[in-house]
Amino acid sequence: EPEVTQTPSHQVTQMGQEVILRCVPISNHLYFYWYRQILGQKVEFLVSFYNNEISEKSEIFDDQFSVERPDGSNFTLKIRSTKLEDSAMYFCASSDWGGSPLHFGNGTRLTVT
Amino acid sequence: AQSVTQPDIHITVSEGASLELRCNYSYGATPYLFWYVQSPGQGLQLLLKYFSGDTLVQGIKGFEAEFKRSQSSFNLRKPSVHWSDAAEYFCAVEEGDSSYKLIFGSGTRLLVRP
Repeated sequence: EPEVTQTPSHQVTQMGQEVILRCVPISNHLYFYWYRQILGQKVEFLVSFYNNEISEKSEIFDDQFSVERPDGSNFTLKIRSTKLEDSAMYFCASSDWGGSPLHFGNGTRLTVT
Repeated sequence: AQSVTQPDIHITVSEGASLELRCNYSYGATPYLFWYVQSPGQGLQLLLKYFSGDTLVQGIKGFEAEFKRSQSSFNLRKPSVHWSDAAEYFCAVEEGDSSYKLIFGSGTRLLVRP
């Protein structure tokens, strides 16, 4: 069965550094998402992306965050200047049509020191 | 705004016992509802979904859930729990806007006693 693939599985970075989290959604999917889960907390929506543009973003997704689909397969989340509170598990998800179930990757654990 | 409540943070059951995980949602129209499972170090795997029609939906791994509009609930059940079911379970509702994003509950951690 096709999968959403995320790399790296774990990233450690220093505060103030830029990080890029990478995702390869399922190939025929059209809707793309980033979620995050701070340790011990609920899964929170960050941003949705459709038709090469952001369709919605949460309050968490401030100017430090950006997303890009640079080619036909990758979907990236960039954090420009990381803060300690950005430490979390970041999940990428995709779906093939609006309203269909989201398929999630295994996540990237980001640790900001 | 839509919200999802999972009132039980932890539940412990014995292997072979039945299981019910509670989920209540707040949504104005007929919701799209989901249950996901997260094993340690893993991503979120879809167990089952409710879109419309039969209010009792079957999922993978022997799980089922029942949509009760009158109670705004979508409880997850399994008649006989296996040790491998130990995981965190998340209920989610899809917001009926153009992004089709999911709103998750805070999760219920299931522990299984041998």
